[in-house]
Amino acid sequence: GQNIDQPTEMTATEGAIVQINCTYQTSGFNGLFWYQQHAGEAPTFLSYNVLDGLEEKGRFSSFLSRSKGYSYLLLKELQMKDSASYLCAVRDSNYQLIWGAGTKLIIKP
Amino acid sequence: SQTIHQWPATLVQPVGSPLSLECTVEGTSNPNLYWYRQAAGRGLQLLFYSVGIGQISSEVPQNLSASRPQDRQFILSSKKLLLSDSGFYLCAWSRGQENQPQHFGDGTRLSIL
Repeated sequence: GQNIDQPTEMTATEGAIVQINCTYQTSGFNGLFWYQQHAGEAPTFLSYNVLDGLEEKGRFSSFLSRSKGYSYLLLKELQMKDSASYLCAVRDSNYQLIWGAGTKLIIKP
Repeated sequence: SQTIHQWPATLVQPVGSPLSLECTVEGTSNPNLYWYRQAAGRGLQLLFYSVGIGQISSEVPQNLSASRPQDRQFILSSKKLLLSDSGFYLCAWSRGQENQPQHFGDGTRLSIL
């Protein structure tokens, strides 16, 4: 079967750095997406990785290792508004998105 | 720019009643369209997707159906709602190219009583 694993919940301090991991086992791989979802709201697109390596977008970076079936989202200089769930999704060989259950990130002052 | 509209934002329906949720996209043509459901604290479950007018693929057999009567309109329906249909329903669109992300509407929170 297809599976995406993320930690259920993480806590970090305002101003710090946090890394949210995602491991996947899917039938084929055609890219990995990270989304942010605030409570009660729709997910919003953060980043896309299809080749190995690091993609940087301001305070957010995403890393991919296809051989390890692994990605992480790195958030720097954490702000209170970063409190949200972070969803990892992998596009499989049929170009369908397989979604993880999300990681709830709690930021403390 | 592209926008996606989804309504209503919240809906409370009795068991056994019908359902119609509508989603429209503006600013693009021939988008891929998707309906998802998200249970509380859970990931996104793909219900239906469409790559063109009248083309609907169902991912999960259930008492829901979808239709795409126009290029940028996607409708989720049910003839008789079940308690288990409660959840957060999200419509999304993407461009046809494989590396494009999906963009979501604001969602409909459906409660079945």
